[in-house]
Amino acid sequence: KNEVEQSPQNLTAQEGEFITINCSYSVGISALHWLQQHPGGGIVSLFMLSSGKKKHGRLIATINIQEKHSSLHITASHPRDSAVYICAALEGGSEKLVFGKGTKLTVNP
Amino acid sequence: EADIYQTPRYLVIGTGKKITLECSQTMGHDKMYWYQQDPGMELHLIHYSYGVNSTEKGDLSSESTVSRIRTEHFPLTLESARPSHTSQYLCASNRPGETQYFGPGTRLLVL
Repeated sequence: KNEVEQSPQNLTAQEGEFITINCSYSVGISALHWLQQHPGGGIVSLFMLSSGKKKHGRLIATINIQEKHSSLHITASHPRDSAVYICAALEGGSEKLVFGKGTKLTVNP
Repeated sequence: EADIYQTPRYLVIGTGKKITLECSQTMGHDKMYWYQQDPGMELHLIHYSYGVNSTEKGDLSSESTVSRIRTEHFPLTLESARPSHTSQYLCASNRPGETQYFGPGTRLLVL
């Protein structure tokens, strides 16, 4: 069993829909990352959070440390949001990331 | 935009060849990382460095080696490439406690 589990694995939405991607982890963490990977392979860091909630534009990330769970929300989704979204847990003390397998999001116009 | 570069972006090479994948960053980050990612799978840490002359093996066993002679440069070398090394290799860097910046990746195909 992977130490970082994401759901769903694949998600298809219509433009404008509200999107939620979930991440559960079993390791002790100092922070949790949400990353975006486009088809070309490049990875961009969206959020790094250790508590509460962060917002950037149409993206919102939340984390519940007690429940070891994080969510990434996209409001008013757009076809350009189509990508793989990866949750990664930063192991406490080691600064090493443990990655989920990613959620492939497709937003249709 | 992250100032971290990888070359080559794509490489097709025959079995047994020695290859070096280059990674450079101009942000002055002490920490650098190499990840391996097979298609549709998660990233796995194969090497990391906390600074000049520091290198450590990651969680995924790898036949590659790395060096860190300069802060900005963290090359990865495969002495004898095999088809099992076919994968995407991603380099990243950061300052302690900050988010990691990723390079564009090198897609390697070993025939």
